[in-house]
Amino acid sequence: DAGVIQSPRHEVTEMGQEVTLRCKPISGHDYLFWYRQTMMRGLELLIYFNNNVPIDDSGMPEDRFSAKMPNASFSTLKIQPSEPRDSAVYFCASTPGQGVRGYTFGSGTRLTVV
Amino acid sequence: SQKIEQNSEALNIQEGKTATLTCNYTNYSPAYLQWYRQDPGRGPVFLLLIRENEKEKRKERLKVTFDTTLKQSLFHITASQPADSATYLCALRLGSQGNLIFGKGTKLSVKP
Repeated sequence: DAGVIQSPRHEVTEMGQEVTLRCKPISGHDYLFWYRQTMMRGLELLIYFNNNVPIDDSGMPEDRFSAKMPNASFSTLKIQPSEPRDSAVYFCASTPGQGVRGYTFGSGTRLTVV
Repeated sequence: SQKIEQNSEALNIQEGKTATLTCNYTNYSPAYLQWYRQDPGRGPVFLLLIRENEKEKRKERLKVTFDTTLKQSLFHITASQPADSATYLCALRLGSQGNLIFGKGTKLSVKP
């Protein structure tokens, strides 16, 4: 089991550019989560999906952020246009069922917007 | 407002001692609480889950307690080792909702 796979590991982009982060969850996990981590705010939930359907996107900071899950093995988080305050580490996590076996996190994407 | 607080940003202890980390919450009624370990540059790794109707859970050198009256969980690492040095995060699952809410974490340093 390769775990949750995120790409890219690092992304440096200029303000105003579009950024797309990618995630492959663990096969068989029906929940997928996108979190953002900063020193100031810790881990914040952005959006989560159940069986590829977005359930709660109330954590998405602005309309500049969007997320999709076209199938059970792939999800994207897009920021357009990007701003310096979007700089953070973005994590994808997946879990089966109600999460009682814990979430499995990917290694994250460190995004720097200059 | 709803809040999750972990007692300190950093905790330094001597090897062999017991580390005790605290997680307090307000205005939540969690179905369960989880603890994670996070190493620098890595994603959090799940350690333990304790349900609202459980008082204590153990796994090897780890012990978690959950007091829903005090709205507090304690996380203990006995016979601590330098390899236990990491940031530890508590997280609450709220009822039937599918998501976890995380505390900001406590950075534990175990000195040889």
